[in-house]
Amino acid sequence: DIQMTQSPSTLSASVGDRVTITCRAGQSISRWLAWYQQKPGRAPKLLIYDASSLESGVPSRFSGSGSGTEFTLTISSLQPDDFATYYCQQYNSYWTFGQGTKVEIK
Amino acid sequence: EVQLVESGGGLVQPGGSLRLPCSASGFTFSDYAMHWVRQAPGKGLEYVSGISSNGGDTYYADSVKGRFTISRDNSKKTLYLQMSSLRAEDTAVYYCVKSRTRTIFGVTRGDYWGQGTLVTVSS
Repeated sequence: DIQMTQSPSTLSASVGDRVTITCRAGQSISRWLAWYQQKPGRAPKLLIYDASSLESGVPSRFSGSGSGTEFTLTISSLQPDDFATYYCQQYNSYWTFGQGTKVEIK
Repeated sequence: EVQLVESGGGLVQPGGSLRLPCSASGFTFSDYAMHWVRQAPGKGLEYVSGISSNGGDTYYADSVKGRFTISRDNSKKTLYLQMSSLRAEDTAVYYCVKSRTRTIFGVTRGDYWGQGTLVTVSS
């Protein structure tokens, strides 16, 4: 199994802040990585796929980058609706998820 | 509009069995692989199992191998997860997820998720 490690586990930020979350893969996964947002009691929502492609309907303040083993999700200006938990997922070989990053209000 | 509706969750005793259906609509079900992902209370997402579009290929996480069986009925547009020998650590919300491809091998990502169904394993 390909291990996925996210950092940080928790992030405290304010509205308007630029936020970056990192995801590292245990082996190269090329660009086969997705980012999801999840709010309590809800299913995960796809934000980014293929490392940097924005899913339709997702605000442009979300962006993804990286390839191989290192990836980042950036929120350019944090909005009130963005306080949630974020997961990375590799789909190079079956599926594995990172442990999640909770973005909370500072 | 793509819709995935899981059902069948509930309280079951350790060692018991449960079958989770996932009813699909809004797309040609038989053209796409399907997957199950679970989330224990307060924990992260865990991949459980996947099945190819024609049901010929399946995959299981080590944590459920030999205890869970994934299947599908393309005529009924329904995905199933048969769970047996259930343990407390199987307690989770179970989500069904539509794939973007027919196969479960190689590069294949998901796109649509159901709302999930809660399975609680407890005496």
